[in-house]
Amino acid sequence: RKEVEQDPGPFNVPEGATVAFNCTYSNSASQSFFWYRQDCRKEPKLLMSVYSSGNEDGRFTAQLNRASQYISLLIRDSKLSDSATYLCVVNGRNTGFQKLVFGTGTRLLVSP
Amino acid sequence: DAGITQSPRYKITETGRQVTLMCHQTWSHSYMFWYRQDLGHGLRLIYYSAAADITDKGEVPDGYVVSRSKTENFPLTLESATRSQTSVYFCASSLRGLGTEAFFGQGTRLTVV
Repeated sequence: RKEVEQDPGPFNVPEGATVAFNCTYSNSASQSFFWYRQDCRKEPKLLMSVYSSGNEDGRFTAQLNRASQYISLLIRDSKLSDSATYLCVVNGRNTGFQKLVFGTGTRLLVSP
Repeated sequence: DAGITQSPRYKITETGRQVTLMCHQTWSHSYMFWYRQDLGHGLRLIYYSAAADITDKGEVPDGYVVSRSKTENFPLTLESATRSQTSVYFCASSLRGLGTEAFFGQGTRLTVV
């Protein structure tokens, strides 16, 4: 089982739609959770951290469910510029060191 | 604010050659990382550094060497390039350390022929 699993998509939505992605993680000891955005052929960029109480940044809302070991990202009022791949990232531990574990991403396509 | 920059952006090299990818950051972050990104895999950690002169192996270190003589620079060397090392390489830095939010350079797209 992968440490972080995401639906690869693509999610095709019209402008203005609301879309949600889920991501599951296997390490129950994980303490830090993030969503990154990656545009085609570009570097990943931190979108938001995910806190236990959930957090919101404009049109973006992230939630954490520790009991079920998943995090979610909700995008409201989708814009064309939201088209990208969204990476779920969780901290974990490899033999002797902490690390960030990256999902393979969920692709979002927003159309006019 | 330059942040973190990588060079070259694109590189084609032949099997068996040595190649060095450069990474420079202006934030004075203690931690720096090298990742590779391949289709079907999430980003995988090659090497990391907690400070100047302190480096350690990540998940996939074989065939790579790093050094960090100055806080701002973290070059990655492929000692004898193989086709399996064809990938996109990202350098990243972090203020708070392993397992915390990291900030990435633009990436180097390396092709080994």
